[in-house]
Amino acid sequence: GDSVTQMEGPVTLSEEAFLTINCTYTATGYPSLFWYVQYPGEGLQLLLKATKADDKGSNKGFEATYRKETTSFHLEKGSVQVSDSAVYFCALSEMYSSASKIIFGSGTRLSIRP
Amino acid sequence: NAGVTQTPKFQVLKTGQSMTLQCAQDMNHEYMSWYRQDPGMGLRLIHYSVGAGITDQGEVPNGYNVSRSTTEDFPLRLLSAAPSQTSVYFCASMGGYGYTFGSGTRLTVV
Repeated sequence: GDSVTQMEGPVTLSEEAFLTINCTYTATGYPSLFWYVQYPGEGLQLLLKATKADDKGSNKGFEATYRKETTSFHLEKGSVQVSDSAVYFCALSEMYSSASKIIFGSGTRLSIRP
Repeated sequence: NAGVTQTPKFQVLKTGQSMTLQCAQDMNHEYMSWYRQDPGMGLRLIHYSVGAGITDQGEVPNGYNVSRSTTEDFPLRLLSAAPSQTSVYFCASMGGYGYTFGSGTRLTVV
């Protein structure tokens, strides 16, 4: 079945460092790919998405490119801030019968030191 | 504000007790789902619904029941709580812009 694998955390970086969180997927069809962010005590919020190969999703300085050839959707940010500390989830969504299901990775906790 | 509302935010149950986690959305979304979040395991789908009157099982449905009598509401029922059901539960609905999540219910079963 479909699955998402992302790098295990926690990831600890200093402010203004470059961030990469790796995400790879397996899917039978042509999924949409997502990154969600979860701040402490809150639910998940959509950070960015890409719906087809070579699409780049971007938001709040974060970017991820849908790479079909490597089945990857790595999250990057050029200069992280303390406020980026959160748990990040990579996810994919495909249509199953008449519904769309979303499958999440296990999450990567990111901590940014001032 | 439009969104997904979950109640309660926190709950402690004794083994064998029953309870219902409430979820309501005001975005007229057809698709709603329940997830549980456990450390190191991401989010796992419990049940989902593609519209009023239609529900189906997800990845980990055992011990949970759902119903969908209206588009707005999608309650999750624990009939006989077990310590293994200690988790954080999230309700989500899906619209044209993707999934919207509630803020979660932290459930502890002792």
